[in-house]
Amino acid sequence: GQQLNQSPQSMFIQEGEDVSMNCTSSSIFNTWLWYKQEPGEGPVLLIALYKAGELTSNGRLTAQFGITRKDSFLNISASIPSDVGIYFCAGTRIQGAQKLVFGQGTRLTINP
Amino acid sequence: SAVISQKPSRDICQRGTSLTIQCQVDSQVTMMFWYRQQPGQSLTLIATANQGSEATYESGFVIDKFPISRPNLTFSTLTVSNMSPEDSSIYLCSVGEAFFGQGTRLTVV
Repeated sequence: GQQLNQSPQSMFIQEGEDVSMNCTSSSIFNTWLWYKQEPGEGPVLLIALYKAGELTSNGRLTAQFGITRKDSFLNISASIPSDVGIYFCAGTRIQGAQKLVFGQGTRLTINP
Repeated sequence: SAVISQKPSRDICQRGTSLTIQCQVDSQVTMMFWYRQQPGQSLTLIATANQGSEATYESGFVIDKFPISRPNLTFSTLTVSNMSPEDSSIYLCSVGEAFFGQGTRLTVV
């Protein structure tokens, strides 16, 4: 089936550092999404990308839809303690289909 | 926007029993989605629930194990039947890419 390969699986960084994570697929995706999940909660949508090459920011977060449609990255600048959580990429093969395929997640830990 | 209420938030169940999870949305939606998140893992789509028709199940998931109801445009239920410890997971409902319930943490003992 369709799979998204997300890396790294975990990150341990110092507060203030920048973070980068990415997702790749062997198949083309027409929508890329990035979520954050905290314990006991459902995923919260951070950024949605709908066009190849699109670069979108949400505060300190920046994500890009790869030009090949087979990858995406998420950057977090100047990390703060509340950035701790698990970040998931997700994609849909058909825009508007709403059926999501998720990456394995990146667990972010921040040392103050 | 949509607000999703999911119940129960958690439960501990005996093997062989069944649990029904409820998902209530504060607006009418055409499709609702049920996901499973096994411990330490990502989310996997179980099925898509359309009002007025049978749910569409993803590969590896069957109706006998995960029956779904969708009686109206704001409500759905997922039942986990004849549970075993391997069913211990978080079950989440969603109404699209932006809106997820808080999940039901199920532990089967």
